[in-house]
Amino acid sequence: DTAVSQTPKYLVTQMGNDKSIKCEQNLGHDTMYWYKQDSKKFLKIMFSYNNKELIINETVPNRFSPKSPDKAHLNLHINSLELGDSAVYFCASSHLDGGSPLHFGNGTRLTVT
Amino acid sequence: KQEVTQIPAALSVPEGENLVLNCSFTDSAIYNLQWFRQDPGKGLTSLLLIQSSQREQTSGRLNASLDKSSGRSTLYIAASQPGDSATYLCAVGTGNQFYFGTGTSLTVIP
Repeated sequence: DTAVSQTPKYLVTQMGNDKSIKCEQNLGHDTMYWYKQDSKKFLKIMFSYNNKELIINETVPNRFSPKSPDKAHLNLHINSLELGDSAVYFCASSHLDGGSPLHFGNGTRLTVT
Repeated sequence: KQEVTQIPAALSVPEGENLVLNCSFTDSAIYNLQWFRQDPGKGLTSLLLIQSSQREQTSGRLNASLDKSSGRSTLYIAASQPGDSATYLCAVGTGNQFYFGTGTSLTVIP
């Protein structure tokens, strides 16, 4: 059984389009995250939701909008895609108890042409 | 703000060698530290999690240590194998966020 699953795995689209990435976890975690991994492989937090409430919103363009319909799902919608948005986006989840490990999805490779 | 650094950035060793990967962090007020492995084009696989109250964790050929006061963690890999080739990332957990290091790219030569 997949613990953290995100779709699609690959996303190729043109500049200016709007796209969404979906994420679901079946671990019963109360917190979910979106990370961006750039071409240099550095992982940077974008957003974090705890029980459907936004708790972390790093400096991310407002073209990026997360949505959490319930604590098992955290989707990422991106408007007006730009070339610089090309990266791998990872969804992750954990318990917000300070001692819980972080579990990752397999990533979505977004390519904007 | 927590800053996490991993040294070296890249490491190449012959098969069978024991090796140590280093992770340092600037703020010792952490909840836990986690080591991950990432294969090319893949997601992150959790290797070991050390709670702030622990000094080390072991899993098979892997041993991770934590020294909070000095802001350091090491990942020891015994008897390295070509299948260990990957990028290794450490992440420091501060309660509501995890800060990642820049990773060490390991190549084990057969």
